[in-house]
Amino acid sequence: DVKVTQSSRYLVKRTGEKVFLECVQDMDHENMFWYRQDPGLGLRLIYFSYDVKMKEKGDIPEGYSVSREKKERFSLILESASTNQTSMYLCASLWPERNTIYFGEGSWLTVV
Amino acid sequence: QKEVEQNSGPLSVPEGAIASLNCTYSDRGSQSFFWYRQYSGKSPELIMFIYSNGDKEDGRFTAQLNKASQYVSLLIRDSQPSDSATYLCAVNAGFGNQFYFGTGTSLTVIP
Repeated sequence: DVKVTQSSRYLVKRTGEKVFLECVQDMDHENMFWYRQDPGLGLRLIYFSYDVKMKEKGDIPEGYSVSREKKERFSLILESASTNQTSMYLCASLWPERNTIYFGEGSWLTVV
Repeated sequence: QKEVEQNSGPLSVPEGAIASLNCTYSDRGSQSFFWYRQYSGKSPELIMFIYSNGDKEDGRFTAQLNKASQYVSLLIRDSQPSDSATYLCAVNAGFGNQFYFGTGTSLTVIP
């Protein structure tokens, strides 16, 4: 099975702090994604990456950046956290043979 | 913006009944369609995918796709309390294999 690991499950950060959310997959997948999920708004794509050092903006990239230095690791960065970034963040990896994405367990971020 | 629409529910069915979940999508070029189940506080997990028009069955689950109507549905037969969750419809479209999700339908199966 695909293993997507989000190392930070629950975080509380202060407004203005820099926040790193890490995601690792062990299947040598090329495509990886970061979503946030909010009640009533569903899953919204923040950024995705289709190869090392390659990244593309999703629907809501403002206030976020990403890093993909190695194929297995895709990091989401909040340069200066704000309260409206309090959310559940989900990393996903695409299994190309099945054309299906698999999610990590999620990272719950609270910005106070 | 590629849109995926679902009734938010909540949908309640008695145990043993058939639950029917519906989804429409806006991008006619979409090729792949998925249903994910999400329990409260957990991440989404894949239940089924469907690529071709018609029905696809997997155990108690049946996915139905009608590309002409841009409509996808999920039927859950013999519903169980453990099926109580939010069901997300997803469509694969666009550059880089982007997945677009509906907001989900909350299902409660009443024992």
